[in-house]
Amino acid sequence: DTGVSQNPRHKITKRGQNVTFRCDPISEHNRLYWYRQTLGQGPEFLTYFQNEAQLEKSRLLSDRFSAERPKGSFSTLEIQRTEQGDSAMYLCASSASSGPHYEQYFGPGTRLTVT
Amino acid sequence: AQSVSQHNHHVILSEAASLELGCNYSYGGTVNLFWYVQYPGQHLQLLLKYFSGDPLVKGIKGFEAEFIKSKFSFNLRKPSVQWSDTAEYFCAVPPQNNQGGKLIFGQGTELSVKP
Repeated sequence: DTGVSQNPRHKITKRGQNVTFRCDPISEHNRLYWYRQTLGQGPEFLTYFQNEAQLEKSRLLSDRFSAERPKGSFSTLEIQRTEQGDSAMYLCASSASSGPHYEQYFGPGTRLTVT
Repeated sequence: AQSVSQHNHHVILSEAASLELGCNYSYGGTVNLFWYVQYPGQHLQLLLKYFSGDPLVKGIKGFEAEFIKSKFSFNLRKPSVQWSDTAEYFCAVPPQNNQGGKLIFGQGTELSVKP
């Protein structure tokens, strides 16, 4: 399968712990996006990269959240000192850099539960 | 703030019924519009998209959507639904003047099709 992959698929952690998620985009895509989705809502944008450069961050991305894409390939999203409100599905998507005619391809997501 | 509204949160239909799901966005000018679908247990996938030209767009699995600029709408339609169309449907737009970054999603419409 050459789609977007995310690991782990599920993560249960205790409040206050740190967690890290990984996203592997489609190999020829140079744009990578992170979204968060809670029950009954659509995905909400968190941040995006073009190659290794982080070009935009949402105000939703507090200081406890950090994302990296060190070599312009895979990306990691780390949440420090998790809170119960961080429980959500974290989605990764990738797209080709082709002006406004982009189409974002989504991965299966990582479901985070903070107890 | 720019937004996307989906009026129907949960729609229940019998097989062979016609479907129309509403989507309105909050700004004018040039828009790119998307409908994504999430089947149970699967990741988000693109159903159809509008960039320019013919305002009636055809997508996969018999779905179509019509862009009506004067109404800021991009409603999704299907003449005859099947049980396999049971899924959650999301309308999405990039923010105005956004060049390849985030998508703003509606909160989604859950469609249940009874066999």
